[in-house]
Amino acid sequence: AQSVSQHNHHVILSEAASLELGCNYSYGGTVNLFWYVQYPGQHLQLLLKYFSGDPLVKGIKGFEAEFIKSKFSFNLRKPSVQWSDTAEYFCAVTSFSGGYNKLIFGAGTRLAVHP
Amino acid sequence: EAGVAQSPRYKIIEKRQSVAFWCNPISGHATLYWYQQILGQGPKLLIQFQNNGVVDDSQLPKDRFSAERLKGVDSTLKIQPAKLEDSAVYLCASSLKQGLGLAKNIQYFGAGTRLSVL
Repeated sequence: AQSVSQHNHHVILSEAASLELGCNYSYGGTVNLFWYVQYPGQHLQLLLKYFSGDPLVKGIKGFEAEFIKSKFSFNLRKPSVQWSDTAEYFCAVTSFSGGYNKLIFGAGTRLAVHP
Repeated sequence: EAGVAQSPRYKIIEKRQSVAFWCNPISGHATLYWYQQILGQGPKLLIQFQNNGVVDDSQLPKDRFSAERLKGVDSTLKIQPAKLEDSAVYLCASSLKQGLGLAKNIQYFGAGTRLSVL
């Protein structure tokens, strides 16, 4: 069964620090990869996605992620975080079965950014 | 565009009671999903509908959980009877359509229902 591993459960940073959140998945075939974000009190929303093409994907609010197929990784990065980036971040990968796909989520990384 | 609507936002019940959650997907979205998110974990798919048919319920505990989407629009998830370990946030999501060649549809999530079983 496919799985997604997020290495850090809690990350604490100061504003302007750089961010990198790790994500590894287990499936060796064609994958669709996602990062979702959940701000305090809000619903899950899509941050960025990778389907094919350029492995460096840019998302909203200055976030980007790099797909490295050989490492089964899809790490999320941001050069300079802001207090408003405080949220929980989930990596997810599509699992294909019976003509349908479903999202497999990692356990999430809770990010706290201090002013 | 209106998002995925869920109600109630919070529910507290005692074990062995029953509970129901409601979801109204984004208009025009054929595929609807119910997820369970236990504290400290990522969302886990319980059941997936395409229109009013179930396409994946492999992780739904069918002895106590049931879900329906009778008219292919809104959906209800029921737990009867509830157990302590059912305490979680229940998320509903929708996407345009699923199927071969259509794997690129994005899932949009509702705010969820937080269930506490005492």
